[in-house]
Amino acid sequence: DAMVIQNPRYQVTQFGKPVTLSCSQTLNHNVMYWYQQKSSQAPKLLFHYYDKDFNNEADTPDNFQSRRPNTSFCFLDIRSPGLGDAAMYLCATSRGGLGITEAFFGQGTRLTVV
Amino acid sequence: AQKITQTQPGMFVQEKEAVTLDCTYDTSDQSYGLFWYKQPSSGEMIFLIYQGSYDEQNATEGRYSLNFQKARKSANLVISASQLGDSAMYFCAMRENNAGNMLTFGGGTRLMVKP
Repeated sequence: DAMVIQNPRYQVTQFGKPVTLSCSQTLNHNVMYWYQQKSSQAPKLLFHYYDKDFNNEADTPDNFQSRRPNTSFCFLDIRSPGLGDAAMYLCATSRGGLGITEAFFGQGTRLTVV
Repeated sequence: AQKITQTQPGMFVQEKEAVTLDCTYDTSDQSYGLFWYKQPSSGEMIFLIYQGSYDEQNATEGRYSLNFQKARKSANLVISASQLGDSAMYFCAMRENNAGNMLTFGGGTRLMVKP
């Protein structure tokens, strides 16, 4: 029944070692988002895809990259994780086009950098 | 400038009582949507309720209702008959029609329900 699935739920990575977080959806939504959320803060949008169109936020570090090979999957790559990248990473989807609809979130991946 | 402002970082409420969480927003867009999400300690972001800028009636979903005052640009969440399981972070968010698909969040309010 899960509609937006993030794997893994918990990820531990070494400082500087590339890591990939994954997100899949069964909703066939054409918009997919990646948010970073640090403790006791609001989620911060890193980037989003509208279909294959990639939209990067101006203040998203180059260390963060994303791939969307098809409608269902989206990946977040952190090329060289630093201690400051430890956070919850939330994937979300929404229907694009006319009208405003809610975004559905996955359960998140909590990233620890050691 | 902040697009979404939640002025209450933390709130207590007695079990079974009602509570109002404040949210004000800033937009020049005529078409926008306002959302409330609940985030328990597990981290998942759970959608609660939605209000469209053209909706004349206040949105309601079970124990949740949204007190939408368009002229004041406020969209407060009202939770009736609080339960212990309502203890969580609550985020107000907005999507503006002219901002594409961006969903902007406020800073959140931590609600604690006392038995």
